[in-house]
Amino acid sequence: SAVISQKPSRDICQRGTSLTIQCQVDSQVTMMFWYRQQPGQSLTLIATANQGSEATYESGFVIDKFPISRPNLTFSTLTVSNMSPEDSSIYLCSVLGGPGTDTQYFGPGTRLTVL
Amino acid sequence: DAKTTQPNSMESNEEEPVHLPCNHSTISGTDYIHWYRQLPSQGPEYVIHGLTSNVNNRMASLAIAEDRKSSTLILHRATLRDAAVYYCVVGDSNYQLIWGAGTKLIIKP
Repeated sequence: SAVISQKPSRDICQRGTSLTIQCQVDSQVTMMFWYRQQPGQSLTLIATANQGSEATYESGFVIDKFPISRPNLTFSTLTVSNMSPEDSSIYLCSVLGGPGTDTQYFGPGTRLTVL
Repeated sequence: DAKTTQPNSMESNEEEPVHLPCNHSTISGTDYIHWYRQLPSQGPEYVIHGLTSNVNNRMASLAIAEDRKSSTLILHRATLRDAAVYYCVVGDSNYQLIWGAGTKLIIKP
């Protein structure tokens, strides 16, 4: 399975500011995913990020609020823009386990608190 | 999209088997059933997955009903380190995972 790291692991931010979360994988992967996990809740998919193409956003999530970059096959960033307290969540990136499987492997998450 | 239903929480004694149920009555014929677990302050960890047949690995066993409308994750001998939230997840044809609310597993020493 892939080893995934995220930076920062946690942050406390002021409303109206933006935070960029980095996700680094130890091997080349085609598909990467960004999730949000609100306090005490399950995971909600924000978007799917493939290298060389625009990210595909799920209903309720827009590029202006959550811009994503995918410059190569081992790295992606998610920016949470113009933050409000409602954006306080854990943000997780994951990668597809390999060809022919939909198993995903997850990073440790970024715990964001917006004041 | 398929939806999964799990009990909110379950308790078990240490060193006893644990059976975690999941209903996914709207699952499609090609959707895989996955189980993940999440320990506090960590990302979800893959446990097991299957399509139709029962599956075993070093962590757990997965029993899938013949009609595929339900499944059971079996931990053969629970330890305190198995205390976590267990998610039953259905994978669709677009490699996306549909997450349930999860079962909080409490292990009593």
